[in-house]
Amino acid sequence: EDQVTQSPEALRLQEGESSSLNCSYTVSGLRGLFWYRQDPGKGPEFLFTLYSAGEEKEKERLKATLTKKESFLHITAPKPEDSATYLCAVQATGNTGKLIFGQGTTLQVKP
Amino acid sequence: KAGVTQTPRYLIKTRGQQVTLSCSPISGHRSVSWYQQTPGQGLQFLFEYFSETQRNKGNFPGRFSGRQFSNSRSEMNVSTLELGDSALYLCASSVTGEGQPQHFGDGTRLSIL
Repeated sequence: EDQVTQSPEALRLQEGESSSLNCSYTVSGLRGLFWYRQDPGKGPEFLFTLYSAGEEKEKERLKATLTKKESFLHITAPKPEDSATYLCAVQATGNTGKLIFGQGTTLQVKP
Repeated sequence: KAGVTQTPRYLIKTRGQQVTLSCSPISGHRSVSWYQQTPGQGLQFLFEYFSETQRNKGNFPGRFSGRQFSNSRSEMNVSTLELGDSALYLCASSVTGEGQPQHFGDGTRLSIL
């Protein structure tokens, strides 16, 4: 069964304190792995797509990496505005339109 | 470029009623997927439509149904509402539904009394 597990469930950081969020997945065939950010009362906002092991994507203070079993979202020198829930999702080969989501990591960055 | 638009934003219904939610995808996107988000279960896939045809379906009862129109706009219907149907219903669109990122609307918050 295709599955996504994210850890930790919650993370509290001081402003400027770098850290990483983990996304472990099992899927029959990976079509793509997606990272989203969700703020309270809003829909998920797309951040990155990764397609194959070894791939990396970067945007401002965020960097996403992918191996055959997991993905990491590295947050460098976070700011309070980075506080949000970060969601990881996978799409399996042949499973059109369907994303399987992890439970998310809720990040709080204190000034 | 306009994003995904969902209406209404909030709905309050009672058990046994039915409800219809609407989703307008990003222009040029032909795939529309629907998800249910609850605190306990997270985001769960309901179904996906492409060119007015349901291509994929999640593990939800037949009370949950949808359709897509020729302009790619989509509607979702829930009949015989139950208390457990209270959730945030999210719509997402992508160009073809195959490997591209899905872009989400802000959802419809459905509360069942």
